[in-house]
Amino acid sequence: AQRVTQPEKLLSVFKGAPVELKCNYSYSGSPELFWYVQYSRQRLQLLLRHISRESIKGFTADLNKGETSFHLKKPFAQEEDSAMYYCALLEYGNKLVFGAGTILRVKS
Amino acid sequence: GAGVSQSPSNKVTEKGKDVELRCDPISGHTALYWYRQSLGQGLEFLIYFQGNSAPDKSGLPSDRFSAERTGGSVSTLTIQRTQQEDSAVYLCASSPGGASGEETQYFGPGTRLLVL
Repeated sequence: AQRVTQPEKLLSVFKGAPVELKCNYSYSGSPELFWYVQYSRQRLQLLLRHISRESIKGFTADLNKGETSFHLKKPFAQEEDSAMYYCALLEYGNKLVFGAGTILRVKS
Repeated sequence: GAGVSQSPSNKVTEKGKDVELRCDPISGHTALYWYRQSLGQGLEFLIYFQGNSAPDKSGLPSDRFSAERTGGSVSTLTIQRTQQEDSAVYLCASSPGGASGEETQYFGPGTRLLVL
């Protein structure tokens, strides 16, 4: 079965520190991966998708097929980055398979 | 433009009662999805509608759960004889789908269901 693993339930960093949210996946085909974010009292929203190769709000994520990883990174965390982050894999049939999520807390 | 909307935003019901949850997708989106977000299980896929094709019901946890989509737009998720373990946030999402190849799913605010 396809799986998405986010090993950290909570990641706490100081403002200005680098951030890396880990995501590993298992998938038999060519994966399409996403990062979704949910800020406090807001709906789940797309942060970025690997095929776009964009940087959104300073975040980037590179697909590493050898390590089956899609870690989310930002060089300098900001307080407004505090949120729940979900890594997701698009399964055959357009279903998103989500990881358990990581809460990012950025302290001042 | 308007995003995905869901109603009600909160629903409290008694065990054994039936509930209906509604989703209005983004206008023009042909694909519609239901997910469930619960403490123990995280975010789980429930069901997927694409145009006029038969829905993918592979994520529905039991036969108490059903969903329909009328006229290719609004969808209703029905849970019959609710149980306490059905308590969760039910999320609806839509995507352009079809020949556009755009797979990004846009989520609604969710319906928080509490079964007493």
